[in-house]
Amino acid sequence: QVQLVESGGGVVQPGRSLRLSCAASGITFSMSGMHWVRQAPGKGLEWVAVISHDGGDKYYADSVKGRFTISRDNSQYTLYLQMNSLRAEDTAVYYCAKDHGGYFLRYYFDSWGQGTLVTVSS
Amino acid sequence: EIVMTQSPVTLSVSPGERATLSCRASQSISSKLAWYQQKPGQAPRLLIYGASTRATGVPARFSGSGSGTDFTLTISSLQSEDFAVYYCQQYDNWPGTFGQGTKLEIK
Repeated sequence: QVQLVESGGGVVQPGRSLRLSCAASGITFSMSGMHWVRQAPGKGLEWVAVISHDGGDKYYADSVKGRFTISRDNSQYTLYLQMNSLRAEDTAVYYCAKDHGGYFLRYYFDSWGQGTLVTVSS
Repeated sequence: EIVMTQSPVTLSVSPGERATLSCRASQSISSKLAWYQQKPGQAPRLLIYGASTRATGVPARFSGSGSGTDFTLTISSLQSEDFAVYYCQQYDNWPGTFGQGTKLEIK
């Protein structure tokens, strides 16, 4: 059974940093592309970033490029999102999600974590 | 960036009836479309990919159709657990973009 568990969310002031983690189980993590997708309160879904199975490829939404960094530790079955220079508009529930493809990214998501809330406010 | 437009925003249907949800892409996306269901306080769940392929464990009452720019999600006989928000997502063109969602509510 696939399980993705996010952690690290909280309240942070504008301009500060936060690191999210996503612990995976029930999957062959090293064979899975992984994404972060966010959802602002009461709003729709926005894709944030993706990392390939081996960490060799990383892509970001324009809204976070240069501020957020996605990474992974396959030995620990863990995905990360380092968020710097946070803004009010980054306030959202952040979900980690598994790409449906294996080695080849397909950019749709067959498993999701329960999400972690990030609130950027002074 | 491809814009995905879902209609209607809210759909009121009685249990046991059929629900039809629409999704339109601003340009052709072939069959690179997924549908997700999201219940309050929960993460989205993949229902359909490739416009018409049901994901693992998804009941047969859910079906998807369409190609190019116009797509439909049909729920043939609504159960109480089907009332939720549904999102479409294109993955033909980077970055994958979502529609704004259709809320399916009990009539």
